[in-house]
Amino acid sequence: EDKVVQSPLSLVVHEGDTVTLNCSYEVTNFRSLLWYKQEKKAPTFLFMLTSSGIEKKSGRLSSILDKKELFSILNITATQTGDSAVYLCAVYFDKIIFGKGTRLHILP
Amino acid sequence: DAEITQSPRHKITETGRQVTLACHQTWNHNNMFWYRQDLGHGLRLIHYSYGVHDTNKGEVSDGYSVSRSNTEDLPLTLESAASSQTSVYFCASSRDSNQPQHFGDGTRLSIL
Repeated sequence: EDKVVQSPLSLVVHEGDTVTLNCSYEVTNFRSLLWYKQEKKAPTFLFMLTSSGIEKKSGRLSSILDKKELFSILNITATQTGDSAVYLCAVYFDKIIFGKGTRLHILP
Repeated sequence: DAEITQSPRHKITETGRQVTLACHQTWNHNNMFWYRQDLGHGLRLIHYSYGVHDTNKGEVSDGYSVSRSNTEDLPLTLESAASSQTSVYFCASSRDSNQPQHFGDGTRLSIL
């Protein structure tokens, strides 16, 4: 059965901490893995990963894909209260599956 | 600016009624998707379309239908609404399967 599993499901840290969010998957005909951030409304796109070992970076956020071990991580350094959100991982294959998300809360 | 819009933003209806949620995108994207989001389940794919007259079932398609008569629109119909279909519904689109999806702001549907 095709699936995407995110961990942890929730995380509370203090401002300034570094966090690592995990996404593992089992699908056939993998095409890409995507990360989204969801605050109050619609998910907003962060990264799209298709190749192993190539880090994508945007400010304090970065992500990398391991296609051999079938997982990806999303790192956030020097966290800020504005990083509080649900982070969603999705895998595109013949269709698309989302994980259940990691709810991140940053304490001031 | 190009965008994706959903309507209505909120709707309350009764069980057994037919309900249609609209999704309109102006990016000329080939791919369009409908999801529902519920606590504890994340985003679950209902139906998707890779072009005009193409529709496919997702993981939770029972009780829902879509049709794609043009590039811009993918309306979602609940033929006979059930209380289990109370949820937040998101529409999304992408140019193709190698591009990320862009999401609408969602429709909050309550079925009493």
